[in-house]
Amino acid sequence: DTAVSQTPKYLVTQMGNDKSIKCEQNLGHDTMYWYKQDSKKFLKIMFSYNNKELIINETVPNRFSPKSPDKAHLNLHINSLELGDSAVYFCASSQEAIPHEQYFGPGTRLTVT
Amino acid sequence: GNSVTQMEGPVTLSEEAFLTINCTYTATGYPSLFWYVQYPGEGLQLLLKATKADDKGSNKGFEATYRKETTSFHLEKGSVQVSDSAVYFCASSGTYKYIFGTGTRLKVLA
Repeated sequence: DTAVSQTPKYLVTQMGNDKSIKCEQNLGHDTMYWYKQDSKKFLKIMFSYNNKELIINETVPNRFSPKSPDKAHLNLHINSLELGDSAVYFCASSQEAIPHEQYFGPGTRLTVT
Repeated sequence: GNSVTQMEGPVTLSEEAFLTINCTYTATGYPSLFWYVQYPGEGLQLLLKATKADDKGSNKGFEATYRKETTSFHLEKGSVQVSDSAVYFCASSGTYKYIFGTGTRLKVLA
């Protein structure tokens, strides 16, 4: 059973388009996250949700809008895609607000051309 | 604010060599500390963790000890294998997030 799943795994699109990435966890966790990993493998937190409420928004452009329809899902919608949005996006979840362990999804590689 | 600093890579070793990847942290309070590993094309996996000072985390031959006096959490392995080739991330826990280091790529040659 996959603990944290993301779809799609690969996403290639043109500048200016709007796209969504979906994330689901079946671990019963309360907290979910989105991270962006650049080409140098640097990981940056984007958003954190706890019980469907936005807790952390790390100065991410408002073209990025997370949505959590329920505790098990945290989707990421991106408007007006730019070249600099090309990266690997990871979803993660944890049980606690101060996480003793985060479980990561397999990542979505977004390429904007 | 909280931060994590780890040694820059890449680190290239021969099989069976000893590995050390340095990690230091700054934090208010006493965070939990972690090492995550990312194999090519995959997400991050927890390798080991320590939740308080002097704790030693260990897994798959890797070890790291939470040193409050030196604010460090260095990763070690006595004998690396080709299959250990990956990117290793040190992290500390903050409220509702982790603070990650920049990652260290390890390449092990047969």
